[in-house]
Formats: sequence, structure tokens, C-alpha cells
Amino acid sequence: DAGITQSPRYKITETGRQVTLMCHQTWSHSYMFWYRQDLGHGLRLIYYSAAADITDKGEVPDGYVVSRSKTENFPLTLESATRSQTSVYFCASSGQSTYGYTFGSGTRLTVV
Amino acid sequence: DQQVKQNSPSLSVQEGRISILNCDYTNSMFDYFLWYKKYPAEGPTFLISISSIKDKNEDGRFTVFLNKSAKHLSLHIVPSQPGDSAVYFCAASANKLSGGTSYGKLTFGQGTILTVHP
Repeated sequence: DAGITQSPRYKITETGRQVTLMCHQTWSHSYMFWYRQDLGHGLRLIYYSAAADITDKGEVPDGYVVSRSKTENFPLTLESATRSQTSVYFCASSGQSTYGYTFGSGTRLTVV
Repeated sequence: DQQVKQNSPSLSVQEGRISILNCDYTNSMFDYFLWYKKYPAEGPTFLISISSIKDKNEDGRFTVFLNKSAKHLSLHIVPSQPGDSAVYFCAASANKLSGGTSYGKLTFGQGTILTVHP
């Protein structure tokens, strides 16, 4: 199916564990983004990518790693999860349009 | 430094009345503005946008107004319906070379929870 999909939808992990959130889009959009949503902060940009093998930091990159070896995939890795990384994570992609981003359905991550 | 601010965390409106959601920004480089709507357990979805060369854009019941001198935009929903109850995010980008499109980074506000009562 065409679109942007995130997996898993829900994840519980322990402090210190590594966890990877997956994002896949089928439009061949150049730009992909990772945001986290927290109460009182709205959506904050973690990392973004302008094309395969091109990534850059956003507003809150600490503790996160990304890669983009293929245009359609943009995984986000928490190298050593902390409780402050408990959040809802949204992946988005963008072609050159007036509609901005298309978002995935989100991954709710809880770090215990 | 919050470059895009939505100072009202919530708004409650009666069905059929007007809903007005506000957004302020500080970065004068922003030239493209968008509103997104988000339901629980779903990702945000695009609602309406406006380029800085315009001061108004209308799409059905939704109208966005831009006041560049005040660095302020607002979303008007008329008439409001219970199905409009959601979180609304405003967003801004700086794309002066993009010809009015938005494919770069978006900076989002904190969101406003709109509740429309039947």
C-alpha cells in the first residue's frame, strides 16, 4: 500500500536498552523527518534527511542516531534509552508540494 | 527559543459557532505557514496553508489569515462541528527559493486542543 508506515506502534523498553523505530515511505520523497510529540512542547524535530545518505540534526538530536541508506527508509535509533525519551514519535516525508509533510501514525515509546 | 507559539493550550466552542485558533512566530525568515489537525492515536494531517505573499487563504469552512507585520496567523473554522474536535498545530518554514512550496524543515507550535460541543 502507498503511504508512510511506522513500526512498531507501541514499544516498552528498559532504561539503557537500544531501540530502533522504523519508518518506510512509498512515494520516493526526498525529505524525511523524525519528530517527537510531548505535552507542552508540541512537535520537535529530532533529525531530518534531504536524500539517501544525507542527514542532519534538528532541534533535539541528543541520544538519537539515524541512517538513510535507501530513499524509502529512515530508521531512528535510541542508543541507550532514557526515561526522558518516553514520547510519541512521528516520522514524516515531504515531496515538493504545498501540503508540507505527510505523517505516519506514530510510535508510542515508553522507557521504564 | 520557541519560534512558533500557540499560547492557548485549549479552546472550547459551541457547535455552529466560529473557532479561532491563533499562532505567533518570531523568525522573520518564515515565508510559508501551515495548519495541521491531529486526532488521538493518529499522525497530524495537513489542513490548510498560506504563503507570505498572501494575507488570506480559504478552503471551505477553514480560513487562514496572515498578518506579517504582527508575525501572527490565525485559523478560523466556520461553522464549527463536533468532528473538528482535535489538536491543531501551526507550522512555519523558510523556503524563499521554493516558489511557494514547502519541502524543508517545519517548525511547529505547541498545539491547541479544540473541543466543539454539540
